[in-house]
Amino acid sequence: EVQLVESGGGLVQPGGSLKLSCAASGFTFSGSAMHWVRQASGKGLEWVGRIRSKANNYATAYAGSVKGRFMISREDSKNTVYLQMNSLKTEDTAVYYCTRPSDDGMDVWGQGTTVTVSS
Amino acid sequence: QPVLTQPPSASASLGASVTLTCTLSSDYSTYRVDWYQQRPGKGPRFVMRVGTGGIVGSKGDGIPDRFSVLGSGLNRYLTINNIQEEDESDYHCGADHGSGSNFVWVFGGGTKLTVL
Repeated sequence: EVQLVESGGGLVQPGGSLKLSCAASGFTFSGSAMHWVRQASGKGLEWVGRIRSKANNYATAYAGSVKGRFMISREDSKNTVYLQMNSLKTEDTAVYYCTRPSDDGMDVWGQGTTVTVSS
Repeated sequence: QPVLTQPPSASASLGASVTLTCTLSSDYSTYRVDWYQQRPGKGPRFVMRVGTGGIVGSKGDGIPDRFSVLGSGLNRYLTINNIQEEDESDYHCGADHGSGSNFVWVFGGGTKLTVL
């Protein structure tokens, strides 16, 4: 079964840091790009960023709202992608999803992990 | 980069049909758009991709034949026939743009579909 499981969410103070993980199974993780998408409560989806595969030099791209604060990395030996979040703001409060792109669209999504930035 | 616009809400009666619209900003009429379904309290689920020629590729796993798409001009449509209670969801459209470090994936604001 193809599956993505996020973890690492929690409560953090403004200015703090948090690292999310997404464990993949059921497909060839090393050959796949991976994306992070977030959703604030009652709001729409917002793309956070993506990391490509080793064959594409692990190239990354980020939304303007997180560029310079967030960093995506991956550990293919553990089938895991990470989202390191620094200098967190209250507006970063959201459910964070990892997702896998296919030729047709983002066809696999995790269940999400909740990040709350509050003092 | 494109801007995707969706009406915030739609409604339809059980067994009826509804068409949801995702409108691309001008200059992006050739772009393909993905549709995602999000049931209350759940993560998004891929429905299908649509271009100006209709569906691109395959539907997502378990998406019934009642769901279809059409593309025309700046609009990308998702039609649901014979609406069922389980179709009550938020529907999001998304599109990718650019490449390399300039790559972005943009989403519309989502449409909340209520089944009456």
